[in-house]
Amino acid sequence: DGGITQSPKYLFRKEGQNVTLSCEQNLNHDAMYWYRQDPGQGLRLIYYSQIVNDFQKGDIAEGYSVSREKKESFPLTVTSAQKNPTAFYLCASSNGDRDYEQYFGPGTRLTVT
Amino acid sequence: SQQGEEDPQALSIQEGENATMNCSYKTSINNLQWYRQNSGRGLVHLILIRSNEREKHSGRLRVTLDTSKKSSSLLITASRAADTASYFCATERRGEATPLVFGKGTRLSVIA
Repeated sequence: DGGITQSPKYLFRKEGQNVTLSCEQNLNHDAMYWYRQDPGQGLRLIYYSQIVNDFQKGDIAEGYSVSREKKESFPLTVTSAQKNPTAFYLCASSNGDRDYEQYFGPGTRLTVT
Repeated sequence: SQQGEEDPQALSIQEGENATMNCSYKTSINNLQWYRQNSGRGLVHLILIRSNEREKHSGRLRVTLDTSKKSSSLLITASRAADTASYFCATERRGEATPLVFGKGTRLSVIA
């Protein structure tokens, strides 16, 4: 059963704590992405990686960090430096660099109080 | 930065009617894609139209692209209550090795 998984679905943290969101894919895709979605809004790109051991900042990278040690995995850490971390986080993957579609995971809803 | 702007922001129609959503963008593109998102879920790819194509069909979906006006439309015919979702356009910008850029979406409600 191929796809992209995110865990957990809901995550609660206290302010000041770092938290890591998991994203795994078994589609053999080279590229992976992290997006943030706020209520009623579109997707904003946090980080993306087009190959293992390499990643680039997106539009809103401040307060976040990522790693890409394996092709299948692209975890996102929301650090205490992120001023407004409560949001819905979506991970996606894709193959190729032209005319590609992105495959999305089910998302993780993070609430920080 | 957001490239696409969907219009309208929200649309409410009766089951059986057609739904039309529009997307405008700013820079030259390789392709434009439409995605669907059910509430609280991930996005699902619906259709991709390349910059040299003008119209594409997939089931009840019809997408048009006008590169001279930098706009696209998504038509859902004979809508069903199950079509209730948010719909996003995304553009792959020409000449840039950057990911897709998504718009803010149109929220469609189909009333049974």
